Amino acid sequence: DTAVSQTPKYLVTQMGNDKSIKCEQNLGHDTMYWYKQDSKKFLKIMFSYNNKELIINETVPNRFSPKSPDKAHLNLHINSLELGDSAVYFCASSQEGLPVGGANVLTFGAGSRLTVL
Amino acid sequence: QKEVEQDPGPLSVPEGAIVSLNCTYSNSAFQYFMWYRQYSRKGPELLMYTYSSGNKEDGRFTAQVDKSSKYISLFIRDSQPSDSATYLCAMRTSGTYKYIFGTGTRLKVLA
Repeated sequence: DTAVSQTPKYLVTQMGNDKSIKCEQNLGHDTMYWYKQDSKKFLKIMFSYNNKELIINETVPNRFSPKSPDKAHLNLHINSLELGDSAVYFCASSQEGLPVGGANVLTFGAGSRLTVL
Repeated sequence: QKEVEQDPGPLSVPEGAIVSLNCTYSNSAFQYFMWYRQYSRKGPELLMYTYSSGNKEDGRFTAQVDKSSKYISLFIRDSQPSDSATYLCAMRTSGTYKYIFGTGTRLKVLA
């Protein structure tokens, strides 16, 4: 199936731990994103990579470090987890560089629900 | 003021009703407008996409963009219980990779 897939789907951990979430897309897209969705369903962009280059880095604590080993993969590592990091993290991808008016739309993964205790 | 405003709902309607969901925005440079549907515990899925102004229809769904009023709408005709979900609007300008989302409207269609 062509898709954006992320693992793990659920993650429960203690404060202070370090954890990673992995994302892969087989859509051939050149841009990948991490979004954070809070309990009120608000989706906020965190990072974006285009062809392995970091192009968006929103105001995110430096405990969060994204890594893109190639344009099909984007991982998120979080150090020293805090209670406020509990959220659903969505990976997404898009194909940029289309002609003006082209469908530069986001395709999302199913989400990784992180609970910090 | 947020760049994109959306009434969070919940909006409850009877089955068969016409539903109108709306977003307003402040950035006149937005050119790409999208509606996503998100079921509980799932990722958002694209419903409709519009470039610049105008209407777009796909089955029971119609998306409208009024750039002069900075207002976009999604209409759902003959609503079904399976339409019960959160609907998120999203938009972006040309030349950036940043999609800005509304807060989502929770819709319940009652059988």
